[in-house]
Amino acid sequence: ETGVTQTPRHLVMGMTNKKSLKCEQHLGHNAMYWYKQSAKKPLELMFVYSLEERVENNSVPSRFSPECPNSSHLFLHLHTLQPEDSALYLCASSQEIGGAVNTEAFFGQGTRLTVV
Amino acid sequence: GDSVTQMEGPVTLSEEAFLTINCTYTATGYPSLFWYVQYPGEGLQLLLKATKADDKGSNKGFEATYRKETTSFHLEKGSVQVSDSAVYFCALSDPGGGSQGNLIFGKGTKLSVKP
Repeated sequence: ETGVTQTPRHLVMGMTNKKSLKCEQHLGHNAMYWYKQSAKKPLELMFVYSLEERVENNSVPSRFSPECPNSSHLFLHLHTLQPEDSALYLCASSQEIGGAVNTEAFFGQGTRLTVV
Repeated sequence: GDSVTQMEGPVTLSEEAFLTINCTYTATGYPSLFWYVQYPGEGLQLLLKATKADDKGSNKGFEATYRKETTSFHLEKGSVQVSDSAVYFCALSDPGGGSQGNLIFGKGTKLSVKP
């Protein structure tokens, strides 16, 4: 496989459930990201990992918990979500060059999450 | 802080029509500028980019020129096709600015092309 792969493509979960989203990149990049895309807002950057360390957390609620075990894999652990968290969650990767965390990003197809 | 403003959609055109999607930006540093495209049910794909003033990015018949004097990066295509129907996002990356190099996106413009 090539590029950025996200699983599952679709997820329906109850507000008391715990689930995880998975992202894998096969591009040899050293930075990975989670974005949230909802109908009413622009793309929102949630988390940034550079060299497997979290470098940015844009005030995301604690019910979203990221994990980056290595430079190729990124997870988003979900628990006690709210219906307003329903959205398309996009993973991306890029190669950090000269301190620029995000020069050109490659995106996965996203996970369509519905919280019921 | 850094920001991107692009024209509100949706934009509906007939096949072979000329396309312009306006994009302007504010940045504290020297940003790189991008256009991403999202086809239905897909993630975002890089369409084209420009890294310095007066650069022109081009791909698949689309073009955009980095205009520092007007802080703009308008997307154009001379003759659109039905297959160009998608959402188009203007974005910037400003390593020396407040966003610390992270991509800042506009709200997206939905384009529908009718046969």
